[in-house]
Amino acid sequence: DAGVIQSPRHEVTEMGQEVTLRCKPISGHDYLFWYRQTMMRGLELLIYFNNNVPIDDSGMPEDRFSAKMPNASFSTLKIQPSEPRDSAVYFCASEQGSGGNTIYFGEGSWLTVV
Amino acid sequence: SQQGEEDPQALSIQEGENATMNCSYKTSINNLQWYRQNSGRGLVHLILIRSNEREKHSGRLRVTLDTSKKSSSLLITASRAADTASYFCATAVGEKGAQKLVFGQGTRLTINP
Repeated sequence: DAGVIQSPRHEVTEMGQEVTLRCKPISGHDYLFWYRQTMMRGLELLIYFNNNVPIDDSGMPEDRFSAKMPNASFSTLKIQPSEPRDSAVYFCASEQGSGGNTIYFGEGSWLTVV
Repeated sequence: SQQGEEDPQALSIQEGENATMNCSYKTSINNLQWYRQNSGRGLVHLILIRSNEREKHSGRLRVTLDTSKKSSSLLITASRAADTASYFCATAVGEKGAQKLVFGQGTRLTINP
């Protein structure tokens, strides 16, 4: 299995631009998570989906952030407009089961907003 | 706010020594997991211990869980330079079917050759 695939791996963008991060979960996994990692705040859960339905988006920082999962094999996290404080590593992860089990992380998307 | 808090934040030891990292959490859990993150990489699952278990082993890893103290420890025996990484505990919180993993801030472990 190829594991969780994220793209892009690195992105540098200017403040105000739209950023779209993409994720392909492991086939057969029914949970998908978006995490953000920074030195200051550590690893934060932004939103997670179960069977393509958003379950908990309480971690999404503000309206500039949105996430979709149009089908079982694809999800996007969009930031519009981006700000320098959004600079972080964004991880997608997936899980099979009832939740709370082992989750498998992608390699992350390293975002820098200048 | 973070559910789990690791201690120490950073640990530096000599190769061959044992490394112990601790994790404390605040609310009731269904299970507790430990993950490892190499620099610039995603997190990798190491071990899961359920709330009704007290100790679990996997190779050179030993994890304990004390639900009365809301704490867990990860012991890496006979450390190697390749064990250098950040280690995170994560607790599964919420009702079955709607659980999520909440991660601590991590312990940065450095193994000196």
